[in-house]
This record gives sequence, C-alpha cells and structure tokens, in this order.
Amino acid sequence: ETGVTQTPRHLVMGMTNKKSLKCEQHLGHNAMYWYKQSAKKPLELMFVYSLEERVENNSVPSRFSPECPNSSHLFLHLHTLQPEDSALYLCASSPRGDYEQYFGPGTRLTVT
Amino acid sequence: AQTVTQSQPEMSVQEAETVTLSCTYDTSENNYYLFWYKQPPSRQMILVIRQEAYKQQNATENRFSVNFQKAAKSFSLKISDSQLGDTAMYFCAFMNYGGATNKLIFGTGTLLAVQP
Repeated sequence: ETGVTQTPRHLVMGMTNKKSLKCEQHLGHNAMYWYKQSAKKPLELMFVYSLEERVENNSVPSRFSPECPNSSHLFLHLHTLQPEDSALYLCASSPRGDYEQYFGPGTRLTVT
Repeated sequence: AQTVTQSQPEMSVQEAETVTLSCTYDTSENNYYLFWYKQPPSRQMILVIRQEAYKQQNATENRFSVNFQKAAKSFSLKISDSQLGDTAMYFCAFMNYGGATNKLIFGTGTLLAVQP
C-alpha cells in the first residue's frame, strides 16, 4: 500500500451515465494529479491540483470534471463519456515543490 | 516541448541474467529529473530509480542502476540478477526542475518478461 487509494477499481458505464472516481492520499501531500493511461500510449497528464487549486488542465474535454475539496481528496466526475475514454485512470500525489510522485492503483474504466 | 522515447516495446530476460532498457529524451532545459517507474500486473506504479540531471554520478538502487548520458540525452536502466518479480511494464519519465507543479512526461513503456 503506497498511501494513495482509488475507488472504484473497476467501473463500467454507459455513455449517458454520470459517475465519479475517487482518490485519497494519506501521505500529507499537497499536490494531486489525474493521469489517463491508454494502451500503446504514454501516460497523459489530465489535471494538477496544488493546495486544492487547479493549476493545470491539459486540454481535457469538459465531460471530465475534477474536484479537490481538500488536500487529501481528489475526484474525477464523469458524464456523457465516449467509448474512447475507456482507459486506466491513475491518481498521484506529491509534496508541493518536490519531484517524487506516488501513484494509486488506478481505476479501470470501460465505457459501453 | 519535452518528449521521451522508449524504442523497445517488449523485452525478455532469463532469471538471474542482466537486462538493459533504453530511453532517450529531448529537451532544451539544463536542469531536470529523470525517472524509471515500474508497473507490475497489479497496476500500482512504483518509482524504481531517479536521477538529477546536475549529478554526473549514475544513480543506483540495489539491483537497479542507470546509465545517464546527458550529452546524448540517454537514460537507460540496467537490472542485474533479474527476478520473476521484476516482470512489469517499465516507464521512463522526465520532469523539469523547479516547477511549482511536478509534470511528469512519460514514454510509452517497455514490457519486461523475466523467464524462469
């Protein structure tokens, strides 16, 4: 256990559903990240939060909506997704200004 | 823009043997970090080793070591005495130094299979 947990581990949703992914870190970090991992492609950084403020949004479609209510929790709200959004979604955290990121186990998302 | 290239999609090594995974990167920055991450079938991404670009000495962590060639922008990972538990996807990653946020740029990964 690395101290970063993600729920659920697996999620199947239809294109019209609304669901949320949850990430929680128990490491006292103050920066959190969402990454998308698709087969045969490099990990793509989606969002970065530092001290609960979104500091980076890498041209992610609006059907993905992040939320960081406090420094320990990060959510990714999903609505009207497309089949190409099926992927492994990884959460990570780090001490602000430090270089090491700690990853969660990921949520395997399948959009049908 | 920085890019990271891993030219070996898959590799195989016999248990107890040594294997080297290749990584090249492109950047105009002078100060940065380089990393190797391991992602076993359980999917948990784990940091294996890191290298600060300003350090000339190659980083070593037990059976894992790197060959960092800054001029050539090359950062290979050597795994000695390979073990079955080393079977995983290995990602090379780059990060600029001194940013307020730590944006990691990953390569596409090398799938390593350790054979008994």
